[in-house]
Amino acid sequence: GENVEQHPSTLSVQEGDSAVIKCTYSDSASNYFPWYKQELGKRPQLIIDIRSNVGEKKDQRIAVTLNKTAKHFSLHITETQPEDSAVYFCAARAYSSASKIIFGSGTRLSIRP
Amino acid sequence: GAGVSQSPRYKVAKRGQDVALRCDPISGHVSLFWYQQALGQGPEFLTYFQNEAQLDKSGLPSDRFFAERPEGSVSTLKIQRTQQEDSAVYLCASSLGGTGSTEAFFGQGTRLTVV
Repeated sequence: GENVEQHPSTLSVQEGDSAVIKCTYSDSASNYFPWYKQELGKRPQLIIDIRSNVGEKKDQRIAVTLNKTAKHFSLHITETQPEDSAVYFCAARAYSSASKIIFGSGTRLSIRP
Repeated sequence: GAGVSQSPRYKVAKRGQDVALRCDPISGHVSLFWYQQALGQGPEFLTYFQNEAQLDKSGLPSDRFFAERPEGSVSTLKIQRTQQEDSAVYLCASSLGGTGSTEAFFGQGTRLTVV
């Protein structure tokens, strides 16, 4: 069945440095890839998404890259700040009207002051 | 409302008790999802509705789990004869659906504890 794998499970970076989280997906029909940020005790919130017709998307300090051939996509956070500390989830969904969003297992990102 | 609303926020159930969890999606959203999130894990898909039609229930862990969305708006997830392994946060999400934006908006979740 459909599967999304995410690495690493935990990541600690110095404030100001960059953080990279990587995901792979199994369903070749997947063509929408959102990233969610979840702070402790709160709901997941979309931070950026990418569709399969583009290879890269950037929004201020956050960027996502997609390699459809290899079926993997990555989240890049530059100039990390303390408020970036949270759990990040990648996900994949086929762009049809009847499909589910499959989530990765999450990456706990900690920013060291 | 402005966002996806879930109730109750917290539910403590004795083992064997039935529970019902409610989700009010964003008005006009066609798609509605239920997810189960165990502590420290990612959301696990349970079921998906497009309007009132339940198009995918492949993630429901057993026949004790049942979901409905009779009028294509509010949805209820029911768990019969709760077990300790049912303890988790149950998240509901909705999206506009169709060929429009596919962003899914999540509710705050219901934390279910079975004792």
